[in-house]
Amino acid sequence: QKEVEQDPGPLSVPEGAIVSLNCTYSNSAFQYFMWYRQYSRKGPELLMYTYSSGNKEDGRFTAQVDKSSKYISLFIRDSQPSDSATYLCAMSVNVGANNLFFGTGTRLTVIP
Amino acid sequence: DGGITQSPKYLFRKEGQNVTLSCEQNLNHDAMYWYRQDPGQGLRLIYYSQIVNDFQKGDIAEGYSVSREKKESFPLTVTSAQKNPTAFYLCASSATSGRTQYFGPGTRLTVT
Repeated sequence: QKEVEQDPGPLSVPEGAIVSLNCTYSNSAFQYFMWYRQYSRKGPELLMYTYSSGNKEDGRFTAQVDKSSKYISLFIRDSQPSDSATYLCAMSVNVGANNLFFGTGTRLTVIP
Repeated sequence: DGGITQSPKYLFRKEGQNVTLSCEQNLNHDAMYWYRQDPGQGLRLIYYSQIVNDFQKGDIAEGYSVSREKKESFPLTVTSAQKNPTAFYLCASSATSGRTQYFGPGTRLTVT
């Protein structure tokens, strides 16, 4: 079993839709959770960072962590064509951890 | 402009040749990392370095070598011993006590 599972998609939605991206994990020691966005042929860029359980909002993006279910989500409101990218979840046990555990990424296309 | 640079963007080599990928950062980060990204497999850690003149193997270090002679530079050599070197290589860095890793734009290596 992989440490982190993520549905690879692809996921296609119309512009303006609410998008829900999810990851599950098996290691209950994970405490730090990140979402990265990666455009085609580019390096990942950090979108959101959360610690432990709860919600964090940043503009149109909301990250949610449910440690009891070992499940994290990224919601994108009012999705735009510029949101079309691959979204990677990542997590670690400790702050400043040398090894992040990544999901395989979900490819999202927002259709104008 | 602070950031991480990787060069070249695309690299082509013949089988049996060693090749060195460049990674430079001007973020004054202590830690640097090399990942490999393959379709459907997410990011896998090759090597990481927490401090100058020190580095540790990641999950898939076989067939790779690194050096860390300067804080800002962490070159990766893909040797002829690497059985399947064609991939997208990503360099990242983080502050020692930082919570997140920041990625460079990547180098796509094709070995034929």
